[in-house]
Amino acid sequence: KAGVTQTPRYLIKTRGQQVTLSCSPISGHRSVSWYQQTPGQGLQFLFEYFSETQRNKGNFPGRFSGRQFSNSRSEMNVSTLELGDSALYLCASSPGQGIWGSTEAFFGQGTRLTVV
Amino acid sequence: GQQVMQIPQYQHVQEGEDFTTYCNSSTTLSNIQWYKQRPGGHPVFLIQLVKSGEVKKQKRLTFQFGEAKKNSSLHITATQTTDVGTYFCASVPTDSWGKFQFGAGTQVVVTP
Repeated sequence: KAGVTQTPRYLIKTRGQQVTLSCSPISGHRSVSWYQQTPGQGLQFLFEYFSETQRNKGNFPGRFSGRQFSNSRSEMNVSTLELGDSALYLCASSPGQGIWGSTEAFFGQGTRLTVV
Repeated sequence: GQQVMQIPQYQHVQEGEDFTTYCNSSTTLSNIQWYKQRPGGHPVFLIQLVKSGEVKKQKRLTFQFGEAKKNSSLHITATQTTDVGTYFCASVPTDSWGKFQFGAGTQVVVTP
C-alpha cells in the first residue's frame, strides 16, 4: 500500500506570491491533517479534514486555507507569502472514522517551502 | 500553547546508556501517542496508550501512561546511534475532543 504522498517536495517562492501544496493520503484514509514544522515552533497544527469537511482548525491567519476532495486528496494554499512562512509542511492521514487523534497518523515526507 | 509539555527539550546520551523523556499535561488525556522523527525525515508513529497506568514495550523502548492519565514517559535502554532523532508525544484531552496536539519534542543526540 502506498504511503502518504506530498507534492512538490521542495518549493521556492517569493514574498507576496501564493502557493498550493498537495497531499494524497493512504488509500482508504479519510482524515487528512496538515502541520507546519519550523525549528523554533515545532509541529504546529493547521487544519484537519474528514470527508471533504474541515473539522478542526489551528491558530493560523486566514492566508492559510485548505480543502479536501471527494477522493480524500487534500490541498493547502498559502496566499500572500511571508518570509516567516518558510517551513516544512507535513500532511498526515489517519484510518477509520474515529475522532482525529484516536488512531495513528501516517505522515508524508513533507514539502519544504522557502520564501525569499 | 502546547497541550502537553515535553521534557527535556534536548537529551545528549552516551551510547549504551539509558534515558527517559516525559510528557506532562495539566488536564486529563484521552490517549497519548508517541512519534519519532529522524533528522531530515518525517514523524513516524511508535505507539498509542489509552488505559490508565498502561505500559507497553517495543524492544528497548518502554512507554508508560500515568495512573491519572496526565503524563507519559518513554524510556530507552542501552541507547544506540539509531535512536537519534526527535521524539514527540501527541494527545487529545478528554474535555476537548478534536484538539489533537503534538508536544514540542525531545531531540536526542547519541554520542558513540
